[in-house]
Amino acid sequence: QVQVVQSGAEVKKPGASVRVSCKASGYTFTDYYVHWVRQAPGQGLEWMGRINPDSGNTNYAHKFQERFTMTRDTSISTAYMELSGLTPDDTAVYFCASMALWLDGESVDYWGQGTLVTVSS
Amino acid sequence: EVVLTQSPEFQSVTPKEKVTISCRASQNIGSSLHWFQQKPDQSPKLLIKYASQSMPGVPSRFSGSESGTDFTLTINSLEAEDAATYYCHQTHSLPFTFGPGTKVDVK
Repeated sequence: QVQVVQSGAEVKKPGASVRVSCKASGYTFTDYYVHWVRQAPGQGLEWMGRINPDSGNTNYAHKFQERFTMTRDTSISTAYMELSGLTPDDTAVYFCASMALWLDGESVDYWGQGTLVTVSS
Repeated sequence: EVVLTQSPEFQSVTPKEKVTISCRASQNIGSSLHWFQQKPDQSPKLLIKYASQSMPGVPSRFSGSESGTDFTLTINSLEAEDAATYYCHQTHSLPFTFGPGTKVDVK
């Protein structure tokens, strides 16, 4: 069955970096873009960027372009995100999602369970 | 970047009532507007794609419509399990964006 499993919660100090993994199983990892979305406590969803697992091409939201990096390892069907220069405002749940939204034909959205990243001194 | 504005922010509704949630785009996005449902402590779930196409398995009481840059999610005959926050999301142009969300509470 389809599963998307993210790495566990992280606690980081301001200025540090965090890396979150997102492992896919039950479908062809390279068929769908992997999107990263975050949600601060009590707040809405914020799109951060996406990576094409097949080509490695990436697209970033403007506010994250300087310190956000998405990568993937197709041999283990895993996508990664790394956020550097952390501040308390980066405290959030980070979701990955394999998504393909087609106007015609089947669409999919497979979400991970979310990873809580807490930034605190 | 496309800004999505949702209204209302919060709605408290009794079961079997009809719920209407609006999403307005700051520019033309065609029909590339999708609706997600997020229940407390869960990951989002895609309900409607391209303004009006329901995803498989989504109850028929959920429907979507569009008029220019205005999009609407309708829940006919609300059920208790529909308590959630609903987000619109555009994929017409990068960077993709989400609306701020509409929280639906079931009385």
